[in-house]
Amino acid sequence: DAGVTQSPTHLIKTRGQQVTLRCSPKSGHDTVSWYQQALGQGPQFIFQYYEEEERQRGNFPDRFSGHQFPNYSSELNVNALLLGDSALYLCASSLGASKGDEQFFGPGTRLTVL
Amino acid sequence: AQRVTQPEKLLSVFKGAPVELKCNYSYSGSPELFWYVQYSRQRLQLLLRHISRESIKGFTADLNKGETSFHLKKPFAQEEDSAMYYCALSGRSSSNTGKLIFGQGTTLQVKP
Repeated sequence: DAGVTQSPTHLIKTRGQQVTLRCSPKSGHDTVSWYQQALGQGPQFIFQYYEEEERQRGNFPDRFSGHQFPNYSSELNVNALLLGDSALYLCASSLGASKGDEQFFGPGTRLTVL
Repeated sequence: AQRVTQPEKLLSVFKGAPVELKCNYSYSGSPELFWYVQYSRQRLQLLLRHISRESIKGFTADLNKGETSFHLKKPFAQEEDSAMYYCALSGRSSSNTGKLIFGQGTTLQVKP
């Protein structure tokens, strides 16, 4: 099991563009959470998907949206990119969307907005 | 407000010295507390959680509800402990589905 995988590894976009990041959860996991980690900061929760629905959302604008597919993989979409969206985007998977279940993190996608 | 504070950005100790990484939290309810670690060029991984009350790699952490703290301790630091450490909390409520709130992280540097 490769664990949580994310693609692409790195991405460079310009302001105003749109981006899609992808995540495959650890085998057997059905819940995916997305986090944004700015340089020198801890990860910040964006949202969580379970049973193809957004279960919980952090303090992020509507430009950030997501999707979960029947195979539990997930996408994070960001529209109208701003310079401040430059960050490492982490995906984490867990089982059952229950509080306290261990979340397993992927390696992240490094997004640079120019 | 839900918040996790790690007051030290960098903690530098010599090998064999005791280590204490500080974590304070603010949460109106009964949280679950975690320590995550990120070694160089590796992904973020769970080190320990307060409900399991385990010692992992010689590290322990006790939840002090009175002081709202969850400090990470190790009596004798090893060079391989050098990493970034994040304290995190998850709320225990019906509306919380495992969202993690992280501190800013502390870099632990263990010198030979």
